[in-house]
Amino acid sequence: AQSVTQLDSQVPVFEEAPVELRCNYSSSVSVYLFWYVQYPNQGLQLLLKYLSGSTLVESINGFEAEFNKSQTSFHLRKPSVHISDTAEYFCAVSDGDNQGGKLIFGQGTELSVKP
Amino acid sequence: DAGVIQSPRHEVTEMGQEVTLRCKPISGHNSLFWYRQTMMRGLELLIYFNNNVPIDDSGMPEDRFSAKMPNASFSTLKIQPSEPRDSAVYFCASSPGLAGGHYEQYFGPGTRLTVT
Repeated sequence: AQSVTQLDSQVPVFEEAPVELRCNYSSSVSVYLFWYVQYPNQGLQLLLKYLSGSTLVESINGFEAEFNKSQTSFHLRKPSVHISDTAEYFCAVSDGDNQGGKLIFGQGTELSVKP
Repeated sequence: DAGVIQSPRHEVTEMGQEVTLRCKPISGHNSLFWYRQTMMRGLELLIYFNNNVPIDDSGMPEDRFSAKMPNASFSTLKIQPSEPRDSAVYFCASSPGLAGGHYEQYFGPGTRLTVT
């Protein structure tokens, strides 16, 4: 069965510093990969996704993630974070043959941006 | 589109009472998911439906929990009787499903349930 590992439960970082949130998934023939963000007291929002094509995907607010098939990773990065990026981030994976669109979520990484 | 709609947003009830959570998915989406989120256990998938049919309910914690999807625009999650350990935030999400190759899920704002 597909699984997702987020290696860091908490990542504290100072404002304007770069950040990387790590995500690894178990190998599969084809996968679709997602990052979701959850701000306090809100639902999860889709941040970015990889379905096919270019292995580097970007979000509208400066985050990017790179699909690395050989390392089965989909790490999330941002070159300069803001206070407003403080949130919990979830990596998720779907098997290409999965019926119904079920996603497997990681345990989440709490990003805390300090001034 | 208004997105996924959940009601109520907050529910406080006493142990032993029946609780019903409601969800309206995004119009045209074929799949619907119920999740539970707690500090201790994180985000757990309880059950999901495809075209109104339950596909996998292996995440439902026990028989006190039940879910229905009588039509494409409405689903309920019921807990009877409720217990304090059921206190959590319950999320509903919907997805276009396999049509068009879309797999992303869209989450509602959640229902915060407190059982005293």
